[in-house]
Amino acid sequence: GQSLEQPSEVTAVEGAIVQINCTYQTSGFYGLSWYQQHDGGAPTFLSYNGLDGLEETGRFSSFLSRSDSYGYLLLQELQMKDSASYFCAVRDDKLIFGTGTRLQVFP
Amino acid sequence: SQTIHQWPATLVQPVGSPLSLECTVEGTSNPNLYWYRQAAGRGLQLLFYSVGIGQISSEVPQNLSASRPQDRQFILSSKKLLLSDSGFYLCACRGTRQGKANQPQHFGDGTRLSIL
Repeated sequence: GQSLEQPSEVTAVEGAIVQINCTYQTSGFYGLSWYQQHDGGAPTFLSYNGLDGLEETGRFSSFLSRSDSYGYLLLQELQMKDSASYFCAVRDDKLIFGTGTRLQVFP
Repeated sequence: SQTIHQWPATLVQPVGSPLSLECTVEGTSNPNLYWYRQAAGRGLQLLFYSVGIGQISSEVPQNLSASRPQDRQFILSSKKLLLSDSGFYLCACRGTRQGKANQPQHFGDGTRLSIL
């Protein structure tokens, strides 16, 4: 079977750094993606890791260790608008999503 | 770049009525297309995916069906809706641009379906 695990909720203050972890068990694996979803909206693509290591896109970075079946999303210089749900997703021919982590940023 | 059109944005249907949700894609050819459902406060459940015209893979057995009559059109249907079919339905697309196997998957704006 396939499963992805993420913390259900994370809280932080503006300006802080937050790391959202994701561990996975899947039959096939072509990469780990991260999506952001604000309340009432559709998920938007943030980043993709096909190989081990760190990918940086502005304030957001994503890391993958295929040997550990583990990845994380790092959000720096948190802003109020970063309050949202964050999903990791494993890709084989289709994208299988984790249950999501709700991030709440406080002033 | 890809654009995904989904309509309607919201829909209220009585139990037992039929359903047809349409998704069309612009800006890419021969994409992989997906239907997801999301219950309130929950993750995304993959319902169907299609790698080409007439090719549908079902992930979860239920009273829903999907069809892909054209390259960039994906339709989600039901003959008789159940209360449990309520949710946020999202169409997604992954382009298959040559040499770019790791194209990200993008989502439409979704249809919020309420069954009464």
